[in-house]
Amino acid sequence: AQSVTQLGSHVSVSEGALVLLRCNYSSSVPPYLFWYVQYPNQGLQLLLKYTSAATLVKGINGFEAEFKKSETSFHLTKPSAHMSDAAEYFCAVSDLGTGGFKTIFGAGTRLFVKA
Amino acid sequence: NAGVTQTPKFRVLKTGQSMTLLCAQDMNHEYMYWYRQDPGMGLRLIHYSVGEGTTAKGEVPDGYNVSRLKKQNFLLGLESAAPSQTSVYFCASSQDQGAHEQYFGPGTRLTVT
Repeated sequence: AQSVTQLGSHVSVSEGALVLLRCNYSSSVPPYLFWYVQYPNQGLQLLLKYTSAATLVKGINGFEAEFKKSETSFHLTKPSAHMSDAAEYFCAVSDLGTGGFKTIFGAGTRLFVKA
Repeated sequence: NAGVTQTPKFRVLKTGQSMTLLCAQDMNHEYMYWYRQDPGMGLRLIHYSVGEGTTAKGEVPDGYNVSRLKKQNFLLGLESAAPSQTSVYFCASSQDQGAHEQYFGPGTRLTVT
C-alpha cells in the first residue's frame, strides 16, 4: 500500500545551518514525489517535484531533494537556513493504482529557524 | 490570475447546522480536490472530481457531499455539522494527475461547537 512517512514532526535549526527534512515512502510502482511548503495561514505551494528525470531535483528558494530508490527516500535539504524558511513542509507521493493516480501527503514537518 | 479561491475564510457552526464551502479556480483545470487538515495528520482527501459533472469519494468522505456543476467550481457541503468536522479545509486543482502539481487555495477554518 502507498504511504509517506516524514521523520520528525518538528525540526529546529539555527539561521545559516543545514536544513534536512526526511521523507520515506512506500509504493509498488515508481512514484512521482513532491515537496510542498505551507506558510502560516496559507495554502500549500510546490517546492519541487521528482518525475523520473534527474534524481537530484532543485526547487525554489534554494531547496533541493534527492530521490534514492534503494532507500525509498526523498529527503529535502537546504545548505543554509534563513528565517523566512520557517514553515511547515509536506512530502507527497503520487502513483498509479487500480483506480488511477492517487496522491498521499505525509503528516508534515514544522521547521523552526533560530536567530 | 487569482488561482484557487475559497469562500468563506472562517466560519463557526453549531452542531447540526449545514453549510457549503465554495472553491473556484481560473486555470481551466480538470481535476479538483477537497482536503481537510488536522494537526499531526497532514492532508486527508475528502472528495475529488476528474471533470465537470463528476465526483468521487476520497479517504474521509463521510458527512460531506460535493458537486461540480461548472468546471471552475467545486462545492463542499456539510448537511449536519459535527464537532469532529472542526478543521481547516483546503481546495486544490490540477491539470492532470500523476506528475502534475496541485494548486491550493488559502483554506477555510471551520469550527463546529
